[in-house]
Amino acid sequence: DVVMTQTPPSLSVAIGQSVSISCKSSQSLVYSDGKTYLHWLLQSPGRSPKRLIYQVSNLGSGVPDRFSGTGSQKDFTLKISRVEAEDLGVYYCAQTTHFPYTFGAGTKLELK
Amino acid sequence: EVQLVESGGGLVQPGRSLKLSCAASGFTFSNYYMAWVRQAPKKGLEWVATISTSGSRTYYPDSVKGRFTISRDNAKSSLYLQMNSLKSEDTATYYCASPPFDYWGQGVMVTVSS
Repeated sequence: DVVMTQTPPSLSVAIGQSVSISCKSSQSLVYSDGKTYLHWLLQSPGRSPKRLIYQVSNLGSGVPDRFSGTGSQKDFTLKISRVEAEDLGVYYCAQTTHFPYTFGAGTKLELK
Repeated sequence: EVQLVESGGGLVQPGRSLKLSCAASGFTFSNYYMAWVRQAPKKGLEWVATISTSGSRTYYPDSVKGRFTISRDNAKSSLYLQMNSLKSEDTATYYCASPPFDYWGQGVMVTVSS
């Protein structure tokens, strides 16, 4: 199984600050079609997860451009520029390149 | 507006069965692979099952293989999860979702306890 290692496990930030979350996979996430199926999700408190970014760097519908994703192969990063209060919650990376699909353990973003 | 509405959760004894349903609307259900993802209390996300558009292909992690069965009825825009031989470790909120996880339901709680 592909192990997704997310760091840090938690982040304490001030509104307006920029932060980055790392996600590393135990094997390459490049599929046979050449695409990389690495996604970022946010689960706000008491809510269902919501996809922010798909295939490494594509912004989901309605997602502010304060969010950006980069990376390749086994090393990926989510950056949030100018954190807002609505960004608080748990961020997960997820891969759907290989079965079984796997998720990172999550990064909890809290207010400082 | 896309909606995924799960139902069928509840309290069940270990070893018993339960069937979850997910009603989809607002998108062409038959064009999408679908999945179930679960989240144990205070824990992270775990993928449970995926089904192809026609239903001819299904995929499971080892943790549920042989006990859970995912199915779909495209005419009814509905997704199902038949869960047999339930264990306490299956206790979780179960979400219906469309890979690559662009749509999610609100989740339904399943508690396995005597």
